[in-house]
Amino acid sequence: DTGVSQDPRHKITKRGQNVTFRCDPISEHNRLYWYRQTLGQGPEFLTYFQNEAQLEKSRLLSDRFSAERPKGSFSTLEIQRTEQGDSAMYLCASSLGGILYGYTFGSGTRLTVV
Amino acid sequence: SQQGEEDPQALSIQEGENATMNCSYKTSINNLQWYRQNSGRGLVHLILIRSNEREKHSGRLRVTLDTSKKSSSLLITASRAADTASYFCAVDNFNKFYFGSGTKLNVKP
Repeated sequence: DTGVSQDPRHKITKRGQNVTFRCDPISEHNRLYWYRQTLGQGPEFLTYFQNEAQLEKSRLLSDRFSAERPKGSFSTLEIQRTEQGDSAMYLCASSLGGILYGYTFGSGTRLTVV
Repeated sequence: SQQGEEDPQALSIQEGENATMNCSYKTSINNLQWYRQNSGRGLVHLILIRSNEREKHSGRLRVTLDTSKKSSSLLITASRAADTASYFCAVDNFNKFYFGSGTKLNVKP
């Protein structure tokens, strides 16, 4: 499969627990993005990487959220001390970089905090 | 907000009819993209139009861009039931894209 893979597809967790999601981008794509989407809304930008460097983080990304892309390939998004308001679809996308290319999105990880 | 905002929020048409969705934005852009999302799935890139382009076609899709009015439109011709999905425009802002809330299109067979 040469698309963007996200794991797991679904995650149900109890409030206060930590969760980690993984994204495997298209191998030749040097840019990787994380978005969050709630029901009926468009995706909201969280953060993006150029290779292993995290270039920007949204104000939405509180200190409970951390993202890494250690070798410039796969990325992880960790949420510590989850809250019910964290329930959403977390989408990963990759691109060749620059503003002339579209994103390729993964299928997302749906997080439910109970 | 620098996000694109789509209009209408929801659109219901019969199969075979054309569907037009609009997007307005507030800032200068380098390009604008349209995406489709089926319920509960990831987004699929449909088309990208650069700021120096006025119209672009891809199969049954036609996108226009009017930078003076800061607006874009997506036309789907001869719609099919399989076109039922949410459609989002995304405007670029310093190497990342911001999405609107989308237009929910329902094509009735």
